Amino acid sequence: AQSVTQLDSQVPVFEEAPVELRCNYSSSVSVYLFWYVQYPNQGLQLLLKYLSGSTLVKGINGFEAEFNKSQTSFHLRKPSVHISDTAEYFCAVSGGGGSYIPTFGRGTSLIVHP
Amino acid sequence: GAVVSQHPSWVICKSGTSVKIECRSLDFQATTMFWYRQFPKQSLMLMATSNEGSKATYEQGVEKDKFLINHASLTLSTLTVTSAHPEDSSFYICSARLVDNEQFFGPGTRLTVL
Repeated sequence: AQSVTQLDSQVPVFEEAPVELRCNYSSSVSVYLFWYVQYPNQGLQLLLKYLSGSTLVKGINGFEAEFNKSQTSFHLRKPSVHISDTAEYFCAVSGGGGSYIPTFGRGTSLIVHP
Repeated sequence: GAVVSQHPSWVICKSGTSVKIECRSLDFQATTMFWYRQFPKQSLMLMATSNEGSKATYEQGVEKDKFLINHASLTLSTLTVTSAHPEDSSFYICSARLVDNEQFFGPGTRLTVL
């Protein structure tokens, strides 16, 4: 079985400050990892994904994430946030146990203050 | 990139009526689509996996007679909420699977049952 833990339900930050949204996963096999962003009343948009290869993954909107197998983490980072980054962020894992159906974390609400 | 649409984006209905939500993959064929339900401030809950030309696979606790899923073509899956009640009010999101275990999400449908 696979699971995802997003440790922070809400992360407030000031504009232009750096941010890190934490994600830890558990799985007994190799997995695929994803970060999605959801704006109010909208569906999910893929920010970035890790399938294999380089552990540092760059995504859209200036976000990046690093896959750390030993710590089973896939934290999302951005060096300087904007007001428009205010949204809900979901970490997801798939591939564990042979299933390609992703398991989502509970989400982290990023709130950027001016 | 792959685009998934949903229709309608917002629907209000009376208790006891049925509502059909469409999910379309616009520029690719999807043998597998997924239906999720999302409550306010919560993560996505997988309801069922929709397979083209066969019966949907429902997650535990999801009433298949209540939430009818039809995947009649490679680009269209429908979710019908039968005899809707206020507790069925929610945000319903579909997704379609492509290669690399990546899913593309629709924009969601907000259902309000009065």
